[in-house]
Amino acid sequence: DAGVIQSPRHEVTEMGQEVTLRCKPISGHNSLFWYRQTMMRGLELLIYFNNNVPIDDSGMPEDRFSAKMPNASFSTLKIQPSEPRDSAVYFCASGGLGGSTDTQYFGPGTRLTVL
Amino acid sequence: KQEVTQIPAALSVPEGENLVLNCSFTDSAIYNLQWFRQDPGKGLTSLLLIQSSQREQTSGRLNASLDKSSGRSTLYIAASQPGDSATYLCAVNRGDDKIIFGKGTRLHILP
Repeated sequence: DAGVIQSPRHEVTEMGQEVTLRCKPISGHNSLFWYRQTMMRGLELLIYFNNNVPIDDSGMPEDRFSAKMPNASFSTLKIQPSEPRDSAVYFCASGGLGGSTDTQYFGPGTRLTVL
Repeated sequence: KQEVTQIPAALSVPEGENLVLNCSFTDSAIYNLQWFRQDPGKGLTSLLLIQSSQREQTSGRLNASLDKSSGRSTLYIAASQPGDSATYLCAVNRGDDKIIFGKGTRLHILP
């Protein structure tokens, strides 16, 4: 298996632009997680899907952030409009039937820079 | 509110030494605790997962222990190697889909 796939790996954009991050989980996994990592705040859980349904989005910082999972093999995290403070590495992870209580497999991350 | 702390933030040790990384958490009501490894520019790789009913888990040269009552976990690395250089993070799962990560310990093994 190729593991969790994220695209793009790097994104540089200007403040106010829309940014869309993409994730393909490991085939057969039914849980998907979006995280954000910064030096100041460490790794934070943004949102968690189980069987394509958002279970907990309390970590989403504000309405500028939205996430979708239209099917079991694809998810997006969108920021509109983007701001410089959104600059971070965004990770997607997938897991098995145990949801957040199972081991999670992380993608390589998308490094986002908002100028 | 659950808080996870890892001290020290960075550690350098000579190759071959045994070492211990520490993780503390403020709320003992956890479902499990997991140790991850993160290499520069990469995602996280799960090393060991300890359920709340367990005291320790072992994988090769790694041994993780859990003491819920004191809110502590340790990751023991035996006979350290340069390839062990990475950032090690612990993560506490409250069982309600909330996973709280520590900020990690950056480990450097000196050849």
